[in-house]
Amino acid sequence: NAGVTQTPKFQVLKTGQSMTLQCAQDMNHNSMYWYRQDPGMGLRLIYYSASEGTTDKGEVPNGYNVSRLNKREFSLRLESAAPSQTSVYFCASSADRGLRQPQHFGDGTRLSIL
Amino acid sequence: GQQVMQIPQYQHVQEGEDFTTYCNSSTTLSNIQWYKQRPGGHPVFLIQLVKSGEVKKQKRLTFQFGEAKKNSSLHITATQTTDVGTYFCAGRIVGNEKLTFGTGTRLTIIP
Repeated sequence: NAGVTQTPKFQVLKTGQSMTLQCAQDMNHNSMYWYRQDPGMGLRLIYYSASEGTTDKGEVPNGYNVSRLNKREFSLRLESAAPSQTSVYFCASSADRGLRQPQHFGDGTRLSIL
Repeated sequence: GQQVMQIPQYQHVQEGEDFTTYCNSSTTLSNIQWYKQRPGGHPVFLIQLVKSGEVKKQKRLTFQFGEAKKNSSLHITATQTTDVGTYFCAGRIVGNEKLTFGTGTRLTIIP
């Protein structure tokens, strides 16, 4: 029972490079989320997917794109990485969009942009 | 911008002392959740409060939701080294679909 699995765990990119962060959950959850965590800023929502086939912007979507590939998988893409995107990225899932369900987080991806 | 604020940002306590973190919103919340994140780890759900004035306890942890549903607190009695970490509140602002996380309170314990 893995819960929420994120890959990779660490990544270093050069400015302008692109990459995709992968997230998969095995709890049959409908809703999935991408957050970034910066010191002193808490967790800020980048994008979320309330259900398979839908995605919506969160608080800080600029510079990112997402794909809800199927019910299990929700990927986050940086098309042209910038130093300001250096952060820890967390994927989370919850049973439904009612937001009265707890969110289950992956272990995070530590991303550095040089 | 962030509409759910937490204070203090940092707290250092001697082992055995009590600890409290406060979460405040400028607007009414429909519910609030609390999470704990150990150093180097990921946030882990602790509890959810839904009703006005609700109080819930988990062993040494006491969670309260304000009468106006605009604030919440987490109190830890007699802290232990296992309590180290950052505590986040997360609230759903009425009329907003998304869960907004507070800025977190980082607790360190002095043995």
